[in-house]
Amino acid sequence: EAGVVQSPRYKIIEKKQPVAFWCNPISGHNTLYWYLQNLGQGPELLIRYENEEAVDDSQLPKDRFSAERLKGVDSTLKIQPAELGDSAVYLCASSLEKGPTDTGELFFGEGSRLTVL
Amino acid sequence: AQTVTQSQPEMSVQEAETVTLSCTYDTSENNYYLFWYKQPPSRQMILVIRQEAYKQQNATENRFSVNFQKAAKSFSLKISDSQLGDTAMYFCAFMKQRSNYQLIWGAGTKLIIKP
Repeated sequence: EAGVVQSPRYKIIEKKQPVAFWCNPISGHNTLYWYLQNLGQGPELLIRYENEEAVDDSQLPKDRFSAERLKGVDSTLKIQPAELGDSAVYLCASSLEKGPTDTGELFFGEGSRLTVL
Repeated sequence: AQTVTQSQPEMSVQEAETVTLSCTYDTSENNYYLFWYKQPPSRQMILVIRQEAYKQQNATENRFSVNFQKAAKSFSLKISDSQLGDTAMYFCAFMKQRSNYQLIWGAGTKLIIKP
């Protein structure tokens, strides 16, 4: 079974440019997370979806970040315009929650490393 | 609010040795999950081991085991017979059970296994 797939793996852009990251979760997983991870630190939640509904976006900087999960499957995270401080790894994770196999485990993609020059 | 503390930023041991990574947390909850995740240099985070707070028995997964001390709010990870492939960042994480599934993460411990 395929894991969580993210693209692109690496992205280098000039500041003020837009950037988008894509995530395809594990089939059947109803919950999807976007995390930001700075070098040497733990992940920080940006947004969590249950199916197509964003149930926790309190940490998403809404002036420049946006996300969508159309049809409750794939998701896109966008930054416009990017700033120097946005350089980080953007992790996507998925889980199967509130079901008989609910273990609380998250399954992560390999991440998208963003460098803003 | 819950917090998770990993007091060891970096550790290194020789291959085949046993190493213990520490994690403490702060919560007023009685039911919760605790996790150790591993993030190798390739960056994909994977679950190493999980513990449900209502279970007194410490979780084990092959060479990985935990020492869960609920009263002390301590959740250490022991890696026995360490291997080169164990080199990674290790993150301790806390989740309130049957809640909003929000994970509270520690800052991580960089573990280096030397040949």
